[in-house]
Amino acid sequence: AQKVTQAQTEISVVEKEDVTLDCVYETRDTTYYLFWYKQPPSGELVFLIRRNSFDEQNEISGRYSWNFQKSTSSFNFTITASQVVDSAVYFCALHGNKLVFGAGTILRVKS
Amino acid sequence: NAGVTQTPKFRVLKTGQSMTLLCAQDMNHEYMYWYRQDPGMGLRLIHYSVGEGTTAKGEVPDGYNVSRLKKQNFLLGLESAAPSQTSVYFCASSALGLAGVGPNTGELFFGEGSRLTVL
Repeated sequence: AQKVTQAQTEISVVEKEDVTLDCVYETRDTTYYLFWYKQPPSGELVFLIRRNSFDEQNEISGRYSWNFQKSTSSFNFTITASQVVDSAVYFCALHGNKLVFGAGTILRVKS
Repeated sequence: NAGVTQTPKFRVLKTGQSMTLLCAQDMNHEYMYWYRQDPGMGLRLIHYSVGEGTTAKGEVPDGYNVSRLKKQNFLLGLESAAPSQTSVYFCASSALGLAGVGPNTGELFFGEGSRLTVL
């Protein structure tokens, strides 16, 4: 069975704070992909990153960084120096034999 | 996402009515998907298509039908709407398939969503 758990339903931070969104996954597949998507208030879903199960290197893209740890089955997402425009719902997704989304984390960044 | 367009954006139906959601993509993608998004449940796959003329069931197919008569269009139909189908519906497309759905894993391009309310 595949499952993605985003335990944080909602997070509120003040602008310029760092924030980490947690994602824990379950799968029996040895080859799989992990994704993060952003859903801003306008409603569309925006692809952020895809990582495969063989690549545990952390990735940084501007203020965004991702920490993939197979030992703990986690793929956490950190936003450094958060901004109001980061306010959105963030979804983690796992793709093994099918694509499964987590329930999402609502991030509210206050000025 | 300018590449995937959904119509209509909003619709209110009465129980038992029928309707069709249209998804159009101009990226020449082979794979298209319909998801529904419900609070606290993330996105769940309803139906998908791996090419023109083909369709397959996803995770929650009951109460829905789909058709892919043209490569660029993927239609989602509700023959007899029920309140449980109140949701936000997202169409997506990809050039490469998703493992278990198609031969490779690829990035999904989503439409802006269609909010459907069934009274």
